[in-house]
Amino acid sequence: GAVVSQHPSWVICKSGTSVKIECRSLDFQATTMFWYRQFPKQSLMLMATSNEGSKATYEQGVEKDKFLINHASLTLSTLTVTSAHPEDSSFYICSARVEGGRETQYFGPGTRLLVL
Amino acid sequence: QQQVKQSPQSLIVQKGGISIINCAYENTAFDYFPWYQQFPGKGPALLIAIRPDVSEKKEGRFTISFNKSAKQFSLHIMDSQPGDSATYFCAASLSGSARQLTFGSGTQLTVLP
Repeated sequence: GAVVSQHPSWVICKSGTSVKIECRSLDFQATTMFWYRQFPKQSLMLMATSNEGSKATYEQGVEKDKFLINHASLTLSTLTVTSAHPEDSSFYICSARVEGGRETQYFGPGTRLLVL
Repeated sequence: QQQVKQSPQSLIVQKGGISIINCAYENTAFDYFPWYQQFPGKGPALLIAIRPDVSEKKEGRFTISFNKSAKQFSLHIMDSQPGDSATYFCAASLSGSARQLTFGSGTQLTVLP
């Protein structure tokens, strides 16, 4: 149980285009989902916290107009990287917390974004 | 106060040996301490977690030791295997919040055959 999927797993795009990444909780409902960014050989950096039906809360230094987050249902959150640039190339990982307030976060497999 | 400090940065252990990774925190309001294992190109996977009312928790070859007074906790991997070679992250979260995780910097473990 507690499986989180991400799609796509790999994306290559041209500079200036927008890319959408989906995060789904497959076998549970997730009131809260989180988006992280990870650079090679570094730790996970929290970008934003999203709650179903409300606006995401962004961490300091994360541009909310560049990284659009939509948590439309209890099983789906999307991250859209708008007008992507090479410096946005990174490994993006989502996680989900089970509805009901339990503290465990389950992570997706990650999405590798390469902006040319 | 939100930091979690993790050491060592890298660790090399012989097969069958014990791997020990340490973490320290400052914020005494943290009340949940998970360890995650991450393989290259994959998302982190929850290994084991502990709450501060328990000093030790064991699941198979993995044990968390927790020292509340010292504000430290550690992961012990007994009988380490080459398949355990991965990056390990400790983390902590606060009650009464969205339960955001504060991660340590990670430890790259290599288990030699």
